[in-house]
Amino acid sequence: GAVVSQHPSWVICKSGTSVKIECRSLDFQATTMFWYRQFPKQSLMLMATSNEGSKATYEQGVEKDKFLINHASLTLSTLTVTSAHPEDSSFYICSSEGVRGANVLTFGAGSRLTVL
Amino acid sequence: SQQGEEDPQALSIQEGENATMNCSYKTSINNLQWYRQNSGRGLVHLILIRSNEREKHSGRLRVTLDTSKKSSSLLITASRAADTASYFCATADTGRRALTFGSGTRLQVQP
Repeated sequence: GAVVSQHPSWVICKSGTSVKIECRSLDFQATTMFWYRQFPKQSLMLMATSNEGSKATYEQGVEKDKFLINHASLTLSTLTVTSAHPEDSSFYICSSEGVRGANVLTFGAGSRLTVL
Repeated sequence: SQQGEEDPQALSIQEGENATMNCSYKTSINNLQWYRQNSGRGLVHLILIRSNEREKHSGRLRVTLDTSKKSSSLLITASRAADTASYFCATADTGRRALTFGSGTRLQVQP
């Protein structure tokens, strides 16, 4: 089945540094990936839609210069949190439409970011 | 933006009992899905019901959809301790590929 590998699974960084999160589709080509953010005990909020070979589409209120998304190949999308601050601490999850049909998402395991 | 509201927010039951979770949404949808999330992990797809379907079964899962009321329910029968997780409904809104997730129900099944 479709597998999305996401890493790192957790990262702690100092305020002001940048952190890159990678998501790879292991056995299928992901032309589109969706990046979500989840605060503790809350739902998932869509941040952006990442399309291979083109610019990402960001949701309203998400700063594109803060959350840089690159989708340079059919199997890799990256999210870089630039100049991270404590309020950026969250659980970031990528997902892609895999082989199970339109709209059905396969999720990575998530990355927990803690900014000190 | 999040459109789905789920209730209850939290549910605690004994093993063997049934668990029912409800979801409401606001927009026109192509389908509604349910996902499960173990603590600190990604989500796993459970079941999808199309907008022209009213009920669907998969193993111990039963999903209903009432598009007139814009609501859905997920029933887990004969629950097990391993069913302990958070459950989210998600809608595929017409004309949009990304899913919009509900607020989730945290299910605790006591052994």
